[in-house]
Amino acid sequence: GNSVTQMEGPVTLSEEAFLTINCTYTATGYPSLFWYVQYPGEGLQLLLKATKADDKGSNKGFEATYRKETTSFHLEKGSVQVSDSAVYFCALGNNAGNMLTFGGGTRLMVKP
Amino acid sequence: DTEVTQTPKHLVMGMTNKKSLKCEQHMGHRAMYWYKQKAKKPPELMFVYSYEKLSINESVPSRFSPECPNSSLLNLHLHALQPEDSALYLCASSQIAGTGSPKQYFGPGTRLTVT
Repeated sequence: GNSVTQMEGPVTLSEEAFLTINCTYTATGYPSLFWYVQYPGEGLQLLLKATKADDKGSNKGFEATYRKETTSFHLEKGSVQVSDSAVYFCALGNNAGNMLTFGGGTRLMVKP
Repeated sequence: DTEVTQTPKHLVMGMTNKKSLKCEQHMGHRAMYWYKQKAKKPPELMFVYSYEKLSINESVPSRFSPECPNSSLLNLHLHALQPEDSALYLCASSQIAGTGSPKQYFGPGTRLTVT
């Protein structure tokens, strides 16, 4: 079955540091890949999405590239801010498009 | 309007109570979802509705009973819950999948405590 593995957190960075959160997946076919962010006390917000190999999703300075050869979808940001502190979930959409499989989540804490 | 609303925000109920969680969206989405999220864990899918019909039930105990009365509303009826059912319950909606997986819009959740 489908599965998603993320690096365990928490990840603690200083403001303006470079961020990488690793995500790898196992799936059949050609799944869509997502990064969701969850701020404290809130629901999930879609951060970015990629639907096929070599696609790059980007939003708010965050980027992730769909790498089929390494089955990865790592999240990166060049300069993090305190306001980026949240939990980040990597997710995979099944071929039917009606289910998301989430990774375990990575908590990011950015200090001023 | 790209918002999914959920009520109530917080709910405390006893094990013999009957309560309902409500979810609403006005984006014209015909797929709606219930997820359960325990602390420091990812969301776990419970139910999926497509065109107001239940399409996926992820082996959820019968003390959780979903209902989709129309294309904008999704309810989750709760009865005889256990303390371990305490969690954040998230509702989401999306367009029906075409090519690839559609974006799911999540509500803020209902934080449920079962005493």
